[in-house]
Amino acid sequence: ELKVEQNPLFLSMQEGKNYTIYCNYSTTSDRLYWYRQDPGKSLESLFVLLSNGAVKQEGRLMASLDTKARLSTLHITAAVHDLSATYFCAVDSLTQGGSEKLVFGKGTKLTVNP
Amino acid sequence: DTGVSQDPRHKITKRGQNVTFRCDPISEHNRLYWYRQTLGQGPEFLTYFQNEAQLEKSRLLSDRFSAERPKGSFSTLEIQRTEQGDSAMYLCASSFVRVPQYFGPGTRLLVL
Repeated sequence: ELKVEQNPLFLSMQEGKNYTIYCNYSTTSDRLYWYRQDPGKSLESLFVLLSNGAVKQEGRLMASLDTKARLSTLHITAAVHDLSATYFCAVDSLTQGGSEKLVFGKGTKLTVNP
Repeated sequence: DTGVSQDPRHKITKRGQNVTFRCDPISEHNRLYWYRQTLGQGPEFLTYFQNEAQLEKSRLLSDRFSAERPKGSFSTLEIQRTEQGDSAMYLCASSFVRVPQYFGPGTRLLVL
């Protein structure tokens, strides 16, 4: 059974600092997604990583995927308060019936302090 | 707005009552998913439709839960004889082939 682990689960950082969130998963997959969720809201798609070595950047966020290590990272550069949210990684899992489902990590709650 | 929509957004019910939620996916998306999210956790997969066919059901989906997608358009998720443990956010998502799943705003259920 596919398991997805994120760390840290809670991250408090100062504005202007850099940090990395890690996402490990237990079985082979070549598709990994990062989502953002604000309190009481739904999930917003941030990045889709489709192959080994994929790197995507949007503003102060950069995501990468190493399928051999079964590891993805979400790097935050020069954090600002607006980045405060919960970030989830999710791995695409094909079921025995050929259906697709996403398996999510528990999320990293990021708080950026002034 | 052409995103995924869900109705109602909030539902408070008493234990033992039945509730039904609706999801309208993005119009050209043929795949529809239901997830459940409890406080402090990531979403957990419940069920998946491709067009009108329900192709996958999680073990989390007990006999009290039923989902339909008539004509491959909107979907409904019904919970019979609700229990306090059913309190959660119920999220619907849709996709076309294997592009990212786009999530709706969710229905927050509270069972008293």
